[in-house]
Amino acid sequence: QQPVQSPQAVILREGEDAVINCSSSKALYSVHWYRQKHGEAPVFLMILLKGGEQKGHDKISASFNEKKQQSSLYLTASQLSYSGTYFCGTGGVYNQGGKLIFGQGTELSVKP
Amino acid sequence: EPEVTQTPSHQVTQMGQEVILRCVPISNHLYFYWYRQILGQKVEFLVSFYNNEISEKSEIFDDRFSVERPDGSNFTLKIRSTKLEDSAMYFCASRQAFVVEQYFGPGTRLTVT
Repeated sequence: QQPVQSPQAVILREGEDAVINCSSSKALYSVHWYRQKHGEAPVFLMILLKGGEQKGHDKISASFNEKKQQSSLYLTASQLSYSGTYFCGTGGVYNQGGKLIFGQGTELSVKP
Repeated sequence: EPEVTQTPSHQVTQMGQEVILRCVPISNHLYFYWYRQILGQKVEFLVSFYNNEISEKSEIFDDRFSVERPDGSNFTLKIRSTKLEDSAMYFCASRQAFVVEQYFGPGTRLTVT
């Protein structure tokens, strides 16, 4: 079953913050976050593992709540380059093939 | 920085024809994947491949689809008897053993007319 992302779309002004959520009805082992710009491949942002700590990458960070089976991606002081579609992927158990099941995506537009 | 490469970048074929999409995974990676993305939709898992055999496949991966690792570097996806609904972007991904991060190639846009 695919994870559910919210919101579906968000429009920001440069410098504003955003939160994208990813929820699953199944127990999560790992949550992978990717950003995809139009016509390009998904680019790996970060991964959160069950039992792992919160990760950060520049002004983008994420958390993983095992009890709620939910991950959240935090974009702080957004830049124009943050625009794109953000996908969360769940699964990725490394010793079981590791397929990723992606959510439907959240389209983020950062305006000047 | 090593990266996954895919060829061709765009393939146009007529319905009913066969196509082969090629991928060169990152050299020390052992797990390989194909995903597809219909325009404007989410990325969907097709198949995973490890140790020269399919680990898992989705419902999309019917008997028209096959994968192969013909040599030590290439990983191919073959689609026989293509249908209009096969039109999509196809992404190859790979990862190392004992690591879950997957790295995606730039994709091949397949257009079936």
